[in-house]
Amino acid sequence: QVHLVQSGAEVEKPGSSVKVSCKASGGTFHSYGVSWVRQAPGQGLEWMGAIIPIFNTTHYAHNFQGRVTITTDESTGTAYMELSSLKSEDTAVYYCARTSQPSYYMDVWGKGTTVTVSS
Amino acid sequence: SYELTQPPSVSVSPGQTAIITCSGDKLGDKYVCWYQQRPGQSPVLVIFQDNKRPSGIPERFSGSNSGNTATLTISGTQSMDEADYYCQASDTSVVFGGGTKLTVL
Repeated sequence: QVHLVQSGAEVEKPGSSVKVSCKASGGTFHSYGVSWVRQAPGQGLEWMGAIIPIFNTTHYAHNFQGRVTITTDESTGTAYMELSSLKSEDTAVYYCARTSQPSYYMDVWGKGTTVTVSS
Repeated sequence: SYELTQPPSVSVSPGQTAIITCSGDKLGDKYVCWYQQRPGQSPVLVIFQDNKRPSGIPERFSGSNSGNTATLTISGTQSMDEADYYCQASDTSVVFGGGTKLTVL
């Protein structure tokens, strides 16, 4: 059974970038996609984008276009999400999730990575 | 952009049926899934493609989707079902509803 292991908490300054990793343990992403979803403190879920490795395609939410980059390294079974030009409002828990097409349902989730943006 | 609307909160007595709705324009034309999130934990998929249950999800969870409304039904609600529930659909992008806090009291 696949588990998704995310990198540890990060503290970043406004204007900088953060890169979060998500490694598939016990399996691979193979024919699945990987989505990134964030949750600000006390708020709901917000989809940021997804990558479909088998088709080498990425799809980003409009709100994050130009600021987020999602990649995978299939040799290590690891997905990455990089968010640039950080603002305090980007303080949130960032989740990766295995994603199935065509409806983009997410059936396996990582435990989340807390990113704090503070000067 | 596409929007999904959920009631902020729903309350139910133990053993009764909880119904959580999710509304969106022509939502019945899209696939809907539902997630359960307990405090401090990652979301868990409980329904996908409108009415399918992933392995390990109890039979008391069911879903439907027609017209402009999708529904998550929890029959015989238990205290362990107390959590936030989110619907999700895909249009030109992936969209989550705002979430519904289910209280079992």
